[in-house]
Amino acid sequence: DTGVSQDPRHKITKRGQNVTFRCDPISEHNRLYWYRQTLGQGPEFLTYFQNEAQLEKSRLLSDRFSAERPKGSFSTLEIQRTEQGDSAMYLCASSLVSRGPNEKLFFGSGTQLSVL
Amino acid sequence: DAKTTQPPSMDCAEGRAANLPCNHSTISGNEYVYWYRQIHSQGPQYIIHGLKNNETNEMASLIITEDRKSSTLILPHATLRDTAVYYCIVGSGSARQLTFGSGTQLTVLP
Repeated sequence: DTGVSQDPRHKITKRGQNVTFRCDPISEHNRLYWYRQTLGQGPEFLTYFQNEAQLEKSRLLSDRFSAERPKGSFSTLEIQRTEQGDSAMYLCASSLVSRGPNEKLFFGSGTQLSVL
Repeated sequence: DAKTTQPPSMDCAEGRAANLPCNHSTISGNEYVYWYRQIHSQGPQYIIHGLKNNETNEMASLIITEDRKSSTLILPHATLRDTAVYYCIVGSGSARQLTFGSGTQLTVLP
Protein backbone atom coordinates (compact mmCIF):
# COMPACT_ATOMS: atom_id res chain seq x y z
CA ASP A 1 0.00 0.00 0.00
CA THR A 2 1.83 3.04 -1.28
CA GLY A 3 -1.07 5.37 -0.58
CA VAL A 4 -2.80 7.87 -2.82
CA SER A 5 -0.42 10.16 -4.62
CA GLN A 6 -1.18 13.49 -6.22
CA ASP A 7 0.88 15.53 -8.58
CA PRO A 8 1.86 18.32 -8.47
CA ARG A 9 1.75 19.30 -4.80
CA HIS A 10 1.64 22.96 -5.67
CA LYS A 11 0.60 24.81 -8.81
CA ILE A 12 0.74 28.53 -9.44
CA THR A 13 -0.91 29.76 -12.58
CA LYS A 14 -2.18 32.94 -14.13
CA ARG A 15 -5.85 33.62 -14.56
CA GLY A 16 -7.12 32.21 -17.83
CA GLN A 17 -4.60 29.39 -18.07
CA ASN A 18 -5.50 25.71 -18.07
CA VAL A 19 -4.20 23.37 -15.41
CA THR A 20 -4.29 19.60 -14.99
CA PHE A 21 -3.82 17.58 -11.84
CA ARG A 22 -3.13 13.89 -11.57
CA CYS A 23 -4.17 11.39 -8.93
CA ASP A 24 -2.86 7.84 -8.57
CA PRO A 25 -5.13 5.87 -6.24
CA ILE A 26 -4.27 2.83 -4.19
CA SER A 27 -3.90 0.14 -6.82
CA GLU A 28 -6.78 -2.18 -5.95
CA HIS A 29 -9.25 0.60 -5.16
CA ASN A 30 -12.22 0.82 -7.49
CA ARG A 31 -13.58 4.22 -6.48
CA LEU A 32 -11.88 7.55 -6.88
CA TYR A 33 -13.10 10.90 -5.59
CA TRP A 34 -12.15 14.50 -6.15
CA TYR A 35 -12.74 17.15 -3.50
CA ARG A 36 -11.99 20.83 -3.22
CA GLN A 37 -11.02 22.49 0.05
CA THR A 38 -10.68 26.17 0.82
CA LEU A 39 -9.05 27.63 3.89
CA GLY A 40 -10.91 26.90 7.10
CA GLN A 41 -13.48 24.67 5.45
CA GLY A 42 -13.84 20.94 5.15
CA PRO A 43 -13.42 19.19 1.80
CA GLU A 44 -16.29 19.61 -0.65
CA PHE A 45 -17.25 16.80 -3.00
CA LEU A 46 -16.68 17.45 -6.70
CA THR A 47 -17.03 14.14 -8.52
CA TYR A 48 -16.36 10.45 -8.28
CA PHE A 49 -15.64 7.41 -10.41
CA GLN A 50 -16.44 3.76 -10.03
CA ASN A 51 -13.70 2.13 -12.09
CA GLU A 52 -13.65 4.22 -15.28
CA ALA A 53 -17.25 5.45 -15.07
CA GLN A 54 -17.89 8.92 -13.72
CA LEU A 55 -20.99 8.38 -11.61
CA GLU A 56 -21.72 11.81 -10.24
CA LYS A 57 -20.69 15.42 -10.56
CA SER A 58 -21.40 18.11 -8.01
CA ARG A 59 -22.98 21.36 -9.09
CA LEU A 60 -19.72 22.89 -7.87
CA LEU A 61 -18.10 21.33 -10.94
CA SER A 62 -18.67 23.98 -13.58
CA ASP A 63 -18.23 23.24 -17.27
CA ARG A 64 -14.66 24.53 -16.99
CA PHE A 65 -13.84 21.45 -14.94
CA SER A 66 -13.43 18.01 -16.41
CA ALA A 67 -12.27 14.79 -14.83
CA GLU A 68 -11.28 11.52 -16.38
CA ARG A 69 -10.24 8.12 -15.19
CA PRO A 70 -9.16 6.16 -18.24
CA LYS A 71 -8.94 2.40 -17.70
CA GLY A 72 -10.06 2.84 -14.12
CA SER A 73 -6.60 3.59 -12.84
CA PHE A 74 -5.19 7.10 -12.40
CA SER A 75 -7.40 10.15 -12.77
CA THR A 76 -6.91 13.66 -14.04
CA LEU A 77 -8.75 16.83 -13.14
CA GLU A 78 -8.49 19.66 -15.62
CA ILE A 79 -9.56 23.23 -15.04
CA GLN A 80 -9.85 25.40 -18.12
CA ARG A 81 -9.65 29.19 -18.12
CA THR A 82 -8.79 29.32 -14.45
CA GLU A 83 -10.28 32.03 -12.26
CA GLN A 84 -9.03 33.39 -8.97
CA GLY A 85 -11.95 31.69 -7.25
CA ASP A 86 -10.52 28.34 -8.31
CA SER A 87 -7.67 28.80 -5.85
CA ALA A 88 -8.00 25.94 -3.39
CA MET A 89 -6.59 22.59 -2.34
CA TYR A 90 -7.75 19.82 -4.66
CA LEU A 91 -7.88 16.49 -2.89
CA CYS A 92 -8.15 13.04 -4.35
CA ALA A 93 -9.35 10.01 -2.40
CA SER A 94 -9.79 6.38 -3.25
CA SER A 95 -11.68 3.49 -1.72
CA LEU A 96 -12.41 -0.16 -2.18
CA VAL A 97 -16.11 -0.78 -2.35
CA SER A 98 -17.06 -4.34 -1.60
CA ARG A 99 -20.01 -5.97 0.06
CA GLY A 100 -19.76 -4.23 3.38
CA PRO A 101 -21.79 -1.10 4.08
CA ASN A 102 -18.88 1.02 5.07
CA GLU A 103 -16.58 2.74 2.68
CA LYS A 104 -13.35 4.22 4.01
CA LEU A 105 -11.70 6.99 2.10
CA PHE A 106 -7.95 7.20 1.70
CA PHE A 107 -6.84 10.69 0.77
CA GLY A 108 -3.81 12.02 -0.99
CA SER A 109 -1.98 15.09 0.24
CA GLY A 110 -3.65 17.28 -2.34
CA THR A 111 -2.64 19.80 -4.97
CA GLN A 112 -2.61 23.41 -3.79
CA LEU A 113 -3.68 25.65 -6.67
CA SER A 114 -3.02 29.38 -6.62
CA VAL A 115 -4.49 31.45 -9.45
CA LEU A 116 -2.89 34.87 -9.76
CA ASP B 1 -28.15 13.36 5.54
CA ALA B 2 -27.99 14.23 9.20
CA LYS B 3 -25.82 17.19 10.09
CA THR B 4 -23.32 17.35 12.90
CA THR B 5 -22.30 20.05 15.35
CA GLN B 6 -18.78 20.23 16.73
CA PRO B 7 -16.96 22.84 18.79
CA PRO B 8 -14.64 24.85 16.54
CA SER B 9 -11.59 24.34 18.72
CA MET B 10 -10.27 22.49 21.75
CA ASP B 11 -6.99 22.23 23.59
CA CYS B 12 -5.57 19.19 25.33
CA ALA B 13 -2.41 18.63 27.35
CA GLU B 14 0.07 16.18 25.93
CA GLY B 15 -0.33 12.74 27.50
CA ARG B 16 -3.88 13.39 28.62
CA ALA B 17 -7.02 12.02 27.02
CA ALA B 18 -8.61 14.19 24.35
CA ASN B 19 -12.40 13.95 24.28
CA LEU B 20 -13.96 15.43 21.17
CA PRO B 21 -17.75 15.80 21.23
CA CYS B 22 -20.15 15.70 18.33
CA ASN B 23 -23.88 16.25 18.22
CA HIS B 24 -25.95 14.54 15.53
CA SER B 25 -29.49 14.79 16.84
CA THR B 26 -31.14 14.10 13.46
CA ILE B 27 -29.21 10.92 12.72
CA SER B 28 -31.25 8.19 11.03
CA GLY B 29 -31.37 4.60 12.16
CA ASN B 30 -29.18 3.34 9.33
CA GLU B 31 -26.58 6.10 9.52
CA TYR B 32 -23.11 5.56 10.89
CA VAL B 33 -20.90 8.04 12.70
CA TYR B 34 -17.50 8.51 11.08
CA TRP B 35 -14.47 10.39 12.29
CA TYR B 36 -11.68 11.65 10.09
CA ARG B 37 -8.85 13.98 10.94
CA GLN B 38 -6.71 16.30 8.87
CA ILE B 39 -3.23 17.23 9.90
CA HIS B 40 -1.98 20.49 8.45
CA SER B 41 -0.98 20.24 4.78
CA GLN B 42 -2.22 16.66 4.48
CA GLY B 43 -5.39 15.03 3.27
CA PRO B 44 -7.96 13.74 5.77
CA GLN B 45 -7.29 10.41 7.44
CA TYR B 46 -9.93 7.91 8.50
CA ILE B 47 -9.97 7.27 12.25
CA ILE B 48 -12.98 5.19 13.23
CA HIS B 49 -16.68 4.66 12.66
CA GLY B 50 -19.63 3.15 14.52
CA LEU B 51 -23.34 2.53 14.35
CA LYS B 52 -24.57 2.18 17.91
CA ASN B 53 -22.02 0.21 19.86
CA ASN B 54 -18.86 1.73 21.22
CA GLU B 55 -15.85 1.05 19.05
CA THR B 56 -12.12 1.01 19.68
CA ASN B 57 -9.15 0.65 17.39
CA GLU B 58 -5.47 1.41 17.54
CA MET B 59 -6.07 5.11 17.02
CA ALA B 60 -9.07 5.98 19.15
CA SER B 61 -12.30 5.02 20.87
CA LEU B 62 -15.76 6.08 19.80
CA ILE B 63 -18.51 6.38 22.36
CA ILE B 64 -22.04 6.74 20.99
CA THR B 65 -24.87 7.62 23.33
CA GLU B 66 -27.75 5.20 23.64
CA ASP B 67 -30.12 7.53 21.79
CA ARG B 68 -27.40 8.01 19.13
CA LYS B 69 -27.86 11.75 19.17
CA SER B 70 -24.28 12.44 20.15
CA SER B 71 -20.89 10.81 20.28
CA THR B 72 -17.41 11.37 21.65
CA LEU B 73 -14.11 10.54 20.04
CA ILE B 74 -11.46 9.72 22.61
CA LEU B 75 -7.74 9.84 21.99
CA PRO B 76 -6.51 8.14 25.16
CA HIS B 77 -3.01 9.65 25.35
CA ALA B 78 -2.79 12.65 23.09
CA THR B 79 0.56 13.52 21.53
CA LEU B 80 1.69 16.62 19.69
CA ARG B 81 1.21 14.70 16.44
CA ASP B 82 -2.51 14.48 17.19
CA THR B 83 -2.86 18.21 16.59
CA ALA B 84 -5.30 18.32 13.67
CA VAL B 85 -8.80 19.19 12.55
CA TYR B 86 -11.19 16.40 13.52
CA TYR B 87 -14.31 15.87 11.43
CA CYS B 88 -17.40 14.08 12.71
CA ILE B 89 -19.63 12.96 9.86
CA VAL B 90 -22.75 10.85 9.63
CA GLY B 91 -23.72 8.78 6.62
CA SER B 92 -25.29 5.52 5.61
CA GLY B 93 -22.16 3.78 4.40
CA SER B 94 -21.32 5.22 1.02
CA ALA B 95 -18.50 7.72 1.11
CA ARG B 96 -20.36 9.75 -1.52
CA GLN B 97 -22.81 10.76 1.17
CA LEU B 98 -20.20 12.00 3.59
CA THR B 99 -20.29 15.76 4.00
CA PHE B 100 -17.36 17.32 5.79
CA GLY B 101 -18.19 20.29 7.98
CA SER B 102 -15.63 22.63 9.51
CA GLY B 103 -14.60 20.17 12.22
CA THR B 104 -12.86 20.75 15.54
CA GLN B 105 -9.32 22.08 15.62
CA LEU B 106 -7.61 20.07 18.36
CA THR B 107 -4.38 21.54 19.63
CA VAL B 108 -2.27 19.32 21.85
CA LEU B 109 -0.14 21.46 24.12
CA PRO B 110 3.27 20.39 25.47
